Amino acid sequence: QTVVTQEPSFSVSPGGTVTLTCGLSSDSVSTTYYPSWYQQTPGQAPRTLIYTTNTRSSGVPDRFSGSILGNKAALTITGAQAEDESNYYCLLYMGSGIYVFGTGTKVTVL
Amino acid sequence: EVQLLESGGDSVQPGGSLRLSCAASGFTFSSSAMRWVRQAPGKGLEWVSGITGSGETTYYADSVKGRFIISRDNSKSSLHLLMNSLRAEDTAVYYCAKDRGRGTRSFDYWGQGTLVTVSS
Repeated sequence: QTVVTQEPSFSVSPGGTVTLTCGLSSDSVSTTYYPSWYQQTPGQAPRTLIYTTNTRSSGVPDRFSGSILGNKAALTITGAQAEDESNYYCLLYMGSGIYVFGTGTKVTVL
Repeated sequence: EVQLLESGGDSVQPGGSLRLSCAASGFTFSSSAMRWVRQAPGKGLEWVSGITGSGETTYYADSVKGRFIISRDNSKSSLHLLMNSLRAEDTAVYYCAKDRGRGTRSFDYWGQGTLVTVSS
């Protein structure tokens, strides 16, 4: 069973920078996994932030950026705002029409 | 404006069945692959199933394979998920999501979800 691992939680100060990562237990994450990132606040549907590693979805502020860092996919928030306090999930494409979400990271801005 | 509206969520006993629907509008439905994603109470997102635009090919997570059936009616711009042999661990909010397409392997629009509760 494929496990996609994210940090459980992060705390960042307003205006600060935080980098979330998305790793695989059995392989290095590369662009061939088409990593994408989703933001979700409790009680709401997910919102798409980043797709194909580093492309921002329409309307997403440029303080959100995606990349590959080492053997993981990464989401960086530069200049965090109070409204960025949310849960963040990465999604990897495993091939053959199969997708796996990461375990999720709760980001607190304080 | 793209809209996805799920329906059909309910409370059902273990072993029972339920059919979810997702009404789509604002885009060319038959050209878009579609997905179902679920979220158990207090837990993370889980990809459940997917279907190509034509409906010819379907995909399932191991956790639901053999129990759930995804389908679509392109003439009505609707997506469905037939859930059989339901278990307590299937309790979740079920979201339908539109595939962004163009080989991006990502989802661009989401519905608001419908709650399925499996309990005796």
